[in-house]
Amino acid sequence: AQSVSQHNHHVILSEAASLELGCNYSYGGTVNLFWYVQYPGQHLQLLLKYFSGDPLVKGIKGFEAEFIKSKFSFNLRKPSVQWSDTAEYFCAVGGSSNTGKLIFGQGTTLQVKP
Amino acid sequence: DTGVSQDPRHKITKRGQNVTFRCDPISEHNRLYWYRQTLGQGPEFLTYFQNEAQLEKSRLLSDRFSAERPKGSFSTLEIQRTEQGDSAMYLCASSVREGLLSTDTQYFGPGTRLTVL
Repeated sequence: AQSVSQHNHHVILSEAASLELGCNYSYGGTVNLFWYVQYPGQHLQLLLKYFSGDPLVKGIKGFEAEFIKSKFSFNLRKPSVQWSDTAEYFCAVGGSSNTGKLIFGQGTTLQVKP
Repeated sequence: DTGVSQDPRHKITKRGQNVTFRCDPISEHNRLYWYRQTLGQGPEFLTYFQNEAQLEKSRLLSDRFSAERPKGSFSTLEIQRTEQGDSAMYLCASSVREGLLSTDTQYFGPGTRLTVL
């Protein structure tokens, strides 16, 4: 069965701390991987995506993610978080089929304390 | 830059009533998706259109749910005989086909929050 698992449901960090949010997936075939962010009161926005090539992907606002195929993982990282990074983060997987649908994890709420 | 818009943003209805939501995708995006999101969960896929053709429907989409995209532009999602379990955020996303071997990047709207009393 296709699924995405985000291990951390709620993370609390102080400003300038480093961030790593875990994402593991179960999916047969070629995968495309995404991280979306939802700031309070706003809609889902794309942070970064992996389709192919370099497994280390850089996104907006200093975020990056590494695709490790052998571990079925796509963890999100940021070396130094800011208060404005407080949001909910969703990992999603899509495949190379024609449907284009995304399967999302349950999300991780990040709270950054000033 | 006009993003995906959804109307209404909030809908409160009584159990048993019918409701209809509208989604306007980004101009010239030929793919349109509907998802449902409940509290504490990620979005769950409901259905998607390529132009006016509905190409896939999730098992979550019971017979009470119907979606249309009559002219390949805006889409509507109707829920008949609403139940309290239908209370959720209904999200619309759109994309343009990026290639044969990759998933499109989907751009999401603000959602319609449905509350069934």
